[in-house]
Amino acid sequence: EVRLEESGGGLVQPGGSLRLSCAATGFALSDYSMNWVRQTPGKGLEWISYISGSSFTIYYGDSVKGRFTISRDNAKNSLYLQMSGLRAEDTAVYFCARELKWGQGLDYWGQGTLVTVFS
Amino acid sequence: QAGLTQPPSMSKGLRQTATLTCSGSRDLVARQGIAWLQQRLGHPPKLLSYRNDKRPSDISERFSASRSGDTASLTITGLQAEDEGDYFCSSWDTNLNGWVIGGGTRLTVL
Repeated sequence: EVRLEESGGGLVQPGGSLRLSCAATGFALSDYSMNWVRQTPGKGLEWISYISGSSFTIYYGDSVKGRFTISRDNAKNSLYLQMSGLRAEDTAVYFCARELKWGQGLDYWGQGTLVTVFS
Repeated sequence: QAGLTQPPSMSKGLRQTATLTCSGSRDLVARQGIAWLQQRLGHPPKLLSYRNDKRPSDISERFSASRSGDTASLTITGLQAEDEGDYFCSSWDTNLNGWVIGGGTRLTVL
Protein backbone atom coordinates (compact mmCIF):
# COMPACT_ATOMS: atom_id res chain seq x y z
CA GLU A 1 0.00 0.00 0.00
CA VAL A 2 1.35 3.40 -0.99
CA ARG A 3 1.65 5.76 1.95
CA LEU A 4 3.12 9.21 2.39
CA GLU A 5 3.55 10.69 5.84
CA GLU A 6 4.68 14.23 6.48
CA SER A 7 6.29 15.43 9.68
CA GLY A 8 8.18 18.44 10.99
CA GLY A 9 5.45 21.05 11.06
CA GLY A 10 4.94 23.35 14.01
CA LEU A 11 5.01 26.89 15.29
CA VAL A 12 7.77 29.23 14.15
CA GLN A 13 8.37 32.95 14.31
CA PRO A 14 8.71 35.11 11.19
CA GLY A 15 12.16 34.79 9.73
CA GLY A 16 12.60 31.36 11.26
CA SER A 17 13.32 28.01 9.66
CA LEU A 18 11.70 24.62 9.60
CA ARG A 19 12.44 21.32 7.87
CA LEU A 20 9.60 19.14 6.71
CA SER A 21 10.00 15.45 5.96
CA CYS A 22 7.87 13.06 3.96
CA ALA A 23 8.33 9.34 4.53
CA ALA A 24 7.30 7.14 1.62
CA THR A 25 6.33 3.49 1.96
CA GLY A 26 4.86 0.92 -0.39
CA PHE A 27 6.80 1.97 -3.47
CA ALA A 28 10.31 2.84 -4.61
CA LEU A 29 10.65 6.58 -4.15
CA SER A 30 13.41 6.73 -6.76
CA ASP A 31 10.93 5.79 -9.48
CA TYR A 32 8.82 8.91 -9.00
CA SER A 33 9.00 12.65 -9.15
CA MET A 34 7.64 14.27 -6.02
CA ASN A 35 6.04 17.57 -5.13
CA TRP A 36 5.17 19.75 -2.17
CA VAL A 37 1.78 21.46 -2.22
CA ARG A 38 0.38 23.67 0.51
CA GLN A 39 -3.09 24.71 1.55
CA THR A 40 -3.93 27.78 3.55
CA PRO A 41 -6.64 27.03 6.11
CA GLY A 42 -9.99 27.19 4.37
CA LYS A 43 -8.44 28.02 1.02
CA GLY A 44 -7.25 26.34 -2.12
CA LEU A 45 -4.16 24.39 -3.03
CA GLU A 46 -0.87 26.02 -4.03
CA TRP A 47 1.93 24.04 -5.63
CA ILE A 48 5.32 25.06 -4.26
CA SER A 49 8.03 22.66 -5.41
CA TYR A 50 8.95 19.71 -7.65
CA ILE A 51 11.87 17.32 -7.68
CA SER A 52 12.58 14.61 -10.23
CA GLY A 53 13.37 11.05 -9.20
CA SER A 54 17.11 11.54 -9.49
CA SER A 55 17.03 15.10 -8.06
CA PHE A 56 18.40 16.31 -11.39
CA THR A 57 15.47 18.64 -12.01
CA ILE A 58 14.04 20.94 -9.35
CA TYR A 59 11.43 23.68 -9.67
CA TYR A 60 9.91 26.16 -7.24
CA GLY A 61 6.88 28.36 -7.23
CA ASP A 62 7.53 32.10 -7.23
CA SER A 63 6.21 32.55 -3.69
CA VAL A 64 8.93 30.35 -2.17
CA LYS A 65 11.81 30.66 -4.62
CA GLY A 66 15.04 31.54 -2.84
CA ARG A 67 13.63 30.64 0.59
CA PHE A 68 12.67 26.98 0.35
CA THR A 69 14.81 24.03 -0.73
CA ILE A 70 13.47 20.66 -1.81
CA SER A 71 15.59 17.53 -1.57
CA ARG A 72 15.25 13.78 -1.33
CA ASP A 73 17.10 10.73 -0.08
CA ASN A 74 15.93 7.78 -2.13
CA ALA A 75 17.92 5.34 0.00
CA LYS A 76 15.85 6.46 2.99
CA ASN A 77 12.63 6.77 0.97
CA SER A 78 12.30 10.32 2.17
CA LEU A 79 11.50 13.72 0.72
CA TYR A 80 12.35 16.99 2.43
CA LEU A 81 11.47 20.66 2.35
CA GLN A 82 13.84 23.06 4.07
CA MET A 83 12.02 26.31 4.73
CA SER A 84 13.78 29.51 5.76
CA GLY A 85 12.85 33.17 5.96
CA LEU A 86 9.35 32.11 6.92
CA ARG A 87 6.54 34.65 6.68
CA ALA A 88 3.03 34.80 8.06
CA GLU A 89 1.71 33.99 4.61
CA ASP A 90 3.58 30.67 4.66
CA THR A 91 1.15 29.45 7.32
CA ALA A 92 -0.51 26.43 5.75
CA VAL A 93 -0.87 22.68 5.74
CA TYR A 94 1.96 21.23 3.67
CA PHE A 95 1.37 18.07 1.66
CA CYS A 96 3.85 15.90 -0.16
CA ALA A 97 2.44 14.34 -3.30
CA ARG A 98 3.65 11.66 -5.68
CA GLU A 99 3.51 12.45 -9.38
CA LEU A 100 2.35 10.12 -12.13
CA LYS A 101 4.70 9.64 -15.04
CA TRP A 102 4.86 12.48 -17.58
CA GLY A 103 3.18 14.98 -15.30
CA GLN A 104 -0.25 13.46 -15.71
CA GLY A 105 -1.38 14.04 -12.16
CA LEU A 106 -0.57 13.85 -8.46
CA ASP A 107 -1.79 10.42 -7.50
CA TYR A 108 -0.95 9.98 -3.82
CA TRP A 109 -0.92 12.57 -1.08
CA GLY A 110 0.11 12.52 2.54
CA GLN A 111 -2.14 13.68 5.35
CA GLY A 112 -0.26 16.97 5.59
CA THR A 113 1.62 18.78 8.32
CA LEU A 114 0.64 22.21 9.66
CA VAL A 115 3.13 25.06 9.67
CA THR A 116 2.14 28.15 11.62
CA VAL A 117 4.22 31.29 11.37
CA PHE A 118 3.34 33.77 14.09
CA SER A 119 4.89 36.67 15.93
CA GLN B 1 -6.26 33.07 -19.95
CA ALA B 2 -3.90 32.48 -17.06
CA GLY B 3 -4.40 29.59 -14.69
CA LEU B 4 -7.42 27.37 -14.32
CA THR B 5 -10.84 28.76 -13.49
CA GLN B 6 -13.55 26.89 -11.61
CA PRO B 7 -16.94 28.02 -10.32
CA PRO B 8 -16.64 28.44 -6.54
CA SER B 9 -19.68 26.41 -5.58
CA MET B 10 -22.42 24.07 -6.71
CA SER B 11 -25.36 22.46 -4.96
CA LYS B 12 -27.16 19.34 -6.13
CA GLY B 13 -29.57 16.86 -4.62
CA LEU B 14 -28.99 13.25 -3.70
CA ARG B 15 -28.97 10.90 -6.70
CA GLN B 16 -28.70 13.83 -9.10
CA THR B 17 -25.86 14.46 -11.56
CA ALA B 18 -23.29 17.20 -11.08
CA THR B 19 -21.04 18.50 -13.82
CA LEU B 20 -18.10 20.59 -12.66
CA THR B 21 -16.13 22.68 -15.11
CA CYS B 22 -12.57 23.91 -15.37
CA SER B 23 -11.47 26.39 -18.03
CA GLY B 24 -8.01 27.50 -18.94
CA SER B 25 -5.58 28.11 -21.75
CA ARG B 26 -5.45 25.69 -24.62
CA ASP B 27 -1.88 24.87 -23.61
CA LEU B 28 -2.95 23.69 -20.19
CA VAL B 29 -6.24 22.01 -20.95
CA ALA B 30 -5.74 20.61 -24.42
CA ARG B 31 -2.02 19.94 -24.60
CA GLN B 32 -1.04 19.02 -21.05
CA GLY B 33 -4.34 17.61 -19.95
CA ILE B 34 -6.30 18.01 -16.75
CA ALA B 35 -6.27 15.99 -13.55
CA TRP B 36 -9.15 16.22 -11.09
CA LEU B 37 -8.79 16.00 -7.33
CA GLN B 38 -11.41 15.50 -4.65
CA GLN B 39 -10.90 16.76 -1.14
CA ARG B 40 -13.38 15.83 1.55
CA LEU B 41 -13.44 17.90 4.72
CA GLY B 42 -10.48 17.08 6.91
CA HIS B 43 -8.84 14.80 4.33
CA PRO B 44 -6.01 15.24 1.84
CA PRO B 45 -6.78 15.51 -1.86
CA LYS B 46 -7.46 12.33 -3.79
CA LEU B 47 -6.87 11.84 -7.50
CA LEU B 48 -10.12 11.19 -9.38
CA SER B 49 -8.90 11.38 -12.97
CA TYR B 50 -5.83 12.27 -15.01
CA ARG B 51 -4.87 13.01 -18.58
CA ASN B 52 -8.36 14.46 -19.14
CA ASP B 53 -10.37 11.25 -18.98
CA LYS B 54 -8.32 8.47 -17.36
CA ARG B 55 -9.61 7.10 -14.07
CA PRO B 56 -7.49 5.34 -11.41
CA SER B 57 -8.61 1.80 -10.76
CA ASP B 58 -9.93 2.55 -7.28
CA ILE B 59 -12.24 5.36 -8.39
CA SER B 60 -15.94 4.70 -8.88
CA GLU B 61 -17.39 4.72 -12.41
CA ARG B 62 -19.78 7.40 -11.15
CA PHE B 63 -16.91 9.83 -11.75
CA SER B 64 -16.09 10.59 -15.37
CA ALA B 65 -13.95 13.33 -16.82
CA SER B 66 -13.78 14.81 -20.28
CA ARG B 67 -12.45 17.73 -22.25
CA SER B 68 -13.81 19.92 -25.02
CA GLY B 69 -11.62 22.67 -26.37
CA ASP B 70 -10.22 24.66 -23.48
CA THR B 71 -12.75 23.44 -20.94
CA ALA B 72 -12.50 20.25 -18.88
CA SER B 73 -15.44 18.70 -17.07
CA LEU B 74 -15.97 16.25 -14.25
CA THR B 75 -19.35 14.55 -14.13
CA ILE B 76 -20.55 12.79 -11.00
CA THR B 77 -23.66 10.67 -11.40
CA GLY B 78 -25.93 9.32 -8.67
CA LEU B 79 -24.71 11.85 -6.13
CA GLN B 80 -24.18 10.52 -2.62
CA ALA B 81 -23.63 12.38 0.63
CA GLU B 82 -20.00 11.24 0.64
CA ASP B 83 -19.40 13.14 -2.62
CA GLU B 84 -19.67 16.43 -0.76
CA GLY B 85 -16.40 18.32 -0.72
CA ASP B 86 -14.02 20.43 -2.77
CA TYR B 87 -13.03 19.52 -6.29
CA PHE B 88 -9.89 20.88 -7.89
CA CYS B 89 -8.63 20.68 -11.45
CA SER B 90 -4.90 20.73 -12.07
CA SER B 91 -2.38 20.69 -14.87
CA TRP B 92 1.38 20.85 -15.34
CA ASP B 93 2.31 24.19 -16.87
CA THR B 94 5.37 23.78 -19.08
CA ASN B 95 5.84 27.56 -19.24
CA LEU B 96 5.90 28.01 -15.46
CA ASN B 97 7.45 24.59 -14.82
CA GLY B 98 4.99 23.90 -12.08
CA TRP B 99 1.57 22.58 -11.24
CA VAL B 100 -1.32 24.96 -11.75
CA ILE B 101 -4.31 24.19 -9.58
CA GLY B 102 -7.74 25.74 -9.98
CA GLY B 103 -9.42 27.55 -7.12
CA GLY B 104 -11.76 24.63 -6.54
CA THR B 105 -15.50 24.07 -6.58
CA ARG B 106 -17.25 23.28 -3.32
CA LEU B 107 -19.95 20.71 -4.03
CA THR B 108 -22.83 20.53 -1.59
CA VAL B 109 -25.10 17.51 -1.77
CA LEU B 110 -28.55 18.40 -0.48
